[in-house]
Amino acid sequence: GAVVSQHPSWVICKSGTSVKIECRSLDFQATTMFWYRQFPKQSLMLMATSNEGSKATYEQGVEKDKFLINHASLTLSTLTVTSAHPEDSSFYICSAPSTGFNQPQHFGDGTRLSIL
Amino acid sequence: GEDVEQSLFLSVREGDSSVINCTYTDSSSTYLYWYKQEPGAGLQLLTYIFSNMDMKQDQRLTVLLNKKDKHLSLRIADTQTGDSAIYFCAEILVSGAGSYQLTFGKGTKLSVIP
Repeated sequence: GAVVSQHPSWVICKSGTSVKIECRSLDFQATTMFWYRQFPKQSLMLMATSNEGSKATYEQGVEKDKFLINHASLTLSTLTVTSAHPEDSSFYICSAPSTGFNQPQHFGDGTRLSIL
Repeated sequence: GEDVEQSLFLSVREGDSSVINCTYTDSSSTYLYWYKQEPGAGLQLLTYIFSNMDMKQDQRLTVLLNKKDKHLSLRIADTQTGDSAIYFCAEILVSGAGSYQLTFGKGTKLSVIP
């Protein structure tokens, strides 16, 4: 069964809206979670590393004020796309590290964000 | 930084073998992975190989690793239409607190012709 739950799976909203995506680890604690963005027909790009109880670490080129990350508990990280615009439309995937190299990260099923 | 390179497209006939290739640049990578992504879905870990291995076989999947050339391949025997998907290879970096950060290739889209 799924060990990382991501919600919502699909969201469509108007330009200027802020959208929150949740990533939950089920039955295990995750002090670190990762947020990826995937453009159509492209690879996954790591956006940021979410750290429980401290600030997220953003990759170069990712706007911190645009993509707000909150890791409020050991099982929940949220990504808020603030004042979303059509260019923010993408597939966002979160993951939580596992404890073994045979399954390095557990991935959520992804959130498809479409901004009109 | 490290780059993982893959060819973008592969088309095979049902029943044939598929070979998806990948090159990586970080010689310190200890584990290398193959993930499968079906349309609109997340990632599914298919298999992995440790860097001191040359080959790993798991049912229809065979992974070959040439560490000298930093070349990784995934062979799918008796390819089925259900194997149509995007396949990503990934290498691992150990991040802080013992967690594992993955670097992905751009993905190879496998199309299986009935």
